[in-house]
Amino acid sequence: AQSVTQPDIHITVSEGASLELRCNYSYGATPYLFWYVQSPGQGLQLLLKYFSGDTLVQGIKGFEAEFKRSQSSFNLRKPSVHWSDAAEYFCAVGAGLTGGGNKLTFGTGTQLKVEL
Amino acid sequence: EAGVAQSPRYKIIEKRQSVAFWCNPISGHATLYWYQQILGQGPKLLIQFQNNGVVDDSQLPKDRFSAERLKGVDSTLKIQPAKLEDSAVYLCASSSSLLSLSTDTQYFGPGTRLTVL
Repeated sequence: AQSVTQPDIHITVSEGASLELRCNYSYGATPYLFWYVQSPGQGLQLLLKYFSGDTLVQGIKGFEAEFKRSQSSFNLRKPSVHWSDAAEYFCAVGAGLTGGGNKLTFGTGTQLKVEL
Repeated sequence: EAGVAQSPRYKIIEKRQSVAFWCNPISGHATLYWYQQILGQGPKLLIQFQNNGVVDDSQLPKDRFSAERLKGVDSTLKIQPAKLEDSAVYLCASSSSLLSLSTDTQYFGPGTRLTVL
């Protein structure tokens, strides 16, 4: 069965500083990997996804993530954090379903706080 | 393009009562998902529909939870009777692709926050 570990429950960074959120996955085949962001009272918004090809994936809002198969990791990065990036971030691994669609298994999330 | 709509946004009930949540997916999306997100945890898939058929309901507590998508568009998730541990945010998501997983992006609604007292 697939699983995702996000080791950092809370992270605090200063505005303008760089950010890296860690994600480790467990999956028997080539994984489909996702990062979502959730602001208070909002649903989840997709930041980026990896299916194959280039291991460095660019997303929205200046985020990027790098797939490292040898480390079973898919860490999210941003060179310069803005106060509006404060939110909860979820990493997810997907498995295709016979009937169609993608079954996502989410990590427990990392709460990002940005200090001004 | 309108997003995934959910109602109500908030619901407070007593244990052993019943409750229902409604979801309207993005127009044209064949796949609909219901997730349960308990405070401090990531979302957990409860059930997935492809049009009006169930693809995966392996994590749905079928003794108390039920869901339907009769016309392949909007969907209802019901809990009867509710327990304290059902307090959570219930998220609905939809996606369009049937064949290509590389383009299958799930779009989430704002969720319904359920409090069971």
